[in-house]
Amino acid sequence: DTGVSQDPRHKITKRGQNVTFRCDPISEHNRLYWYRQTLGQGPEFLTYFQNEAQLEKSRLLSDRFSAERPKGSFSTLEIQRTEQGDSAMYLCASSFAGDNSPLHFGNGTRLTVT
Amino acid sequence: GDSVTQMEGPVTLSEEAFLTINCTYTATGYPSLFWYVQYPGEGLQLLLKATKADDKGSNKGFEATYRKETTSFHLEKGSVQVSDSAVYFCALPTGFQKLVFGTGTRLLVSP
Repeated sequence: DTGVSQDPRHKITKRGQNVTFRCDPISEHNRLYWYRQTLGQGPEFLTYFQNEAQLEKSRLLSDRFSAERPKGSFSTLEIQRTEQGDSAMYLCASSFAGDNSPLHFGNGTRLTVT
Repeated sequence: GDSVTQMEGPVTLSEEAFLTINCTYTATGYPSLFWYVQYPGEGLQLLLKATKADDKGSNKGFEATYRKETTSFHLEKGSVQVSDSAVYFCALPTGFQKLVFGTGTRLLVSP
């Protein structure tokens, strides 16, 4: 069990550019989540997948954001036409299905939009 | 909607002091409750959990008891160490394990 891994750890981009982040969950986990965390705040839910199906999206996820999990394994989160307000830590987590199964988080991708 | 309220930080303590971080929740039904910890530069790690009223979660010397009557899940540790310095988040699931987090409480422990 190598844990949840995210790539890259840091990304600096100019406003208006597109960025893509990758998450590799724990291999046995069928649920995968994306959260966003801004400085001094707790993580906020963005979206989640069960296997390859995207089952819920937060209203925080504007049309510029898209997430995929094509084969039910790794996931990507793309942000198009980045804005300075997108600067945040993007966290990925995975879990087994089941209300009491804890989420296992990756170390996150820190995005800075200049 | 469901929510979690945590005490504001930072909480500054000397090594071996007693720690309490308050957490209260608003929820329909009786969800599981979680404490996560975030060390500098890292993602969140599950610290402990409780799945029903009066349950006590414990791990690494930390404890929290699920109190239905006061809708609370306060985190405690009898003797903190410098290595406990981190940000602590209280959380509850709102369907499909989608977690709602508090704003976090930063703990700073000095030697």
